[in-house]
Amino acid sequence: DAKTTQPNSMESNEEEPVHLPCNHSTISGTDYIHWYRQLPSQGPEYVIHGLTSNVNNRMASLAIAEDRKSSTLILHRATLRDAAVYYCILRGSARQLTFGSGTQLTVLP
Amino acid sequence: EPEVTQTPSHQVTQMGQEVILRCVPISNHLYFYWYRQILGQKVEFLVSFYNNEISEKSEIFDDQFSVERPDGSNFTLKIRSTKLEDSAMYFCASKRGDNTGELFFGEGSRLTVL
Repeated sequence: DAKTTQPNSMESNEEEPVHLPCNHSTISGTDYIHWYRQLPSQGPEYVIHGLTSNVNNRMASLAIAEDRKSSTLILHRATLRDAAVYYCILRGSARQLTFGSGTQLTVLP
Repeated sequence: EPEVTQTPSHQVTQMGQEVILRCVPISNHLYFYWYRQILGQKVEFLVSFYNNEISEKSEIFDDQFSVERPDGSNFTLKIRSTKLEDSAMYFCASKRGDNTGELFFGEGSRLTVL
């Protein structure tokens, strides 16, 4: 699977939007972009995924660049509960996910 | 909301002992996975299971590891002879179908090998 690059950490203020970037310049045409997060002492949790078009769900929005070499996970109003490690993962033909180091998001009250 | 459940939440064992970690995936899911996370490190894929057989496995999943779906509901990971370096959180996950994106993870089983 192609590699992704994310900042190690980010901070946000509570109730403000958060934009978490991910670079994936070697993405192939069939790779889906997945985002998971891992709250402290819990298992990973699915957030959102997409292929080419921007996607919205109840948790977040995913904005995908036109050339697909980068994407941004958007949390519209961060809460303290959103403090977690956020993983951007490309999934191609393999059925399993390969986790990187992710971005540690700290939400400040 | 349906969820993946794992037992035990924490197991302490002596080096060389056999350990079985149990998972109950979501009932209509067809794909099953084990991942592990050593403290402070990345989440690592171990094995995936579909149609009663292993479909993919990583280099970590050597002969000391095995998986089984002994009945219609449980999915187990057995470590035959535990080593100190097997100490980790073990996460079970399941997925409904091949073309769906979402893996549902359990809360994990913490294994401590002394």
